[in-house]
Amino acid sequence: DTGVSQDPRHKITKRGQNVTFRCDPISEHNRLYWYRQTLGQGPEFLTYFQNEAQLEKSRLLSDRFSAERPKGSFSTLEIQRTEQGDSAMYLCASSLDQGWEGYTFGSGTRLTVV
Amino acid sequence: AQSVAQPEDQVNVAEGNPLTVKCTYSVSGNPYLFWYVQYPNRGLQFLLKYITGDNLVKGSYGFEAEFNKSQTSFHLKKPSALVSDSALYFCAVRASNTGGFKTIFGAGTRLFVKA
Repeated sequence: DTGVSQDPRHKITKRGQNVTFRCDPISEHNRLYWYRQTLGQGPEFLTYFQNEAQLEKSRLLSDRFSAERPKGSFSTLEIQRTEQGDSAMYLCASSLDQGWEGYTFGSGTRLTVV
Repeated sequence: AQSVAQPEDQVNVAEGNPLTVKCTYSVSGNPYLFWYVQYPNRGLQFLLKYITGDNLVKGSYGFEAEFNKSQTSFHLKKPSALVSDSALYFCAVRASNTGGFKTIFGAGTRLFVKA
């Protein structure tokens, strides 16, 4: 297993366009998390899944954001009608079911909205 | 609500000296506490965690952290700093009494170790 993979590594898009990011977690990890990190800040929680169920969403996740994990394996995060304020690093992480486990993070997808 | 405070934006130490990176937290109930490190152009890496038991926990790369319940702190320490320890360090907390497993991160502290 090569860890948590995120694709693409970088995405530049024009304001108003839709973008989709993919995350492939560690195969035996049931839990998958999405975070957003802007320069000089710590990761901000967006949403998380246990298997295919989306169990919690942050108020940061506006109606333009949607996440799926259809078969309990990979996940996608879609942003519709992108805005310049969406420019950030989008991080995916996965973990085992036990609540005390640390996360394994991917390298992130850097989104730039121009 | 859970929160984490890292009061120092940057910590500067000389190589070979001990280092401390401070963290305080707020959470309902008992906390799970974590430290992560982020090197330039790399993802966050898990360093260590506190769940229960001994207040001093040891982690990767010679780092350790001390849990202090009365002060709600979880400071990261290392007896002898290396130049290669220079990176961004994040403290994080998770409430143990919820099923959500949502982890809240601090804003980060940049550690600079001078040769």
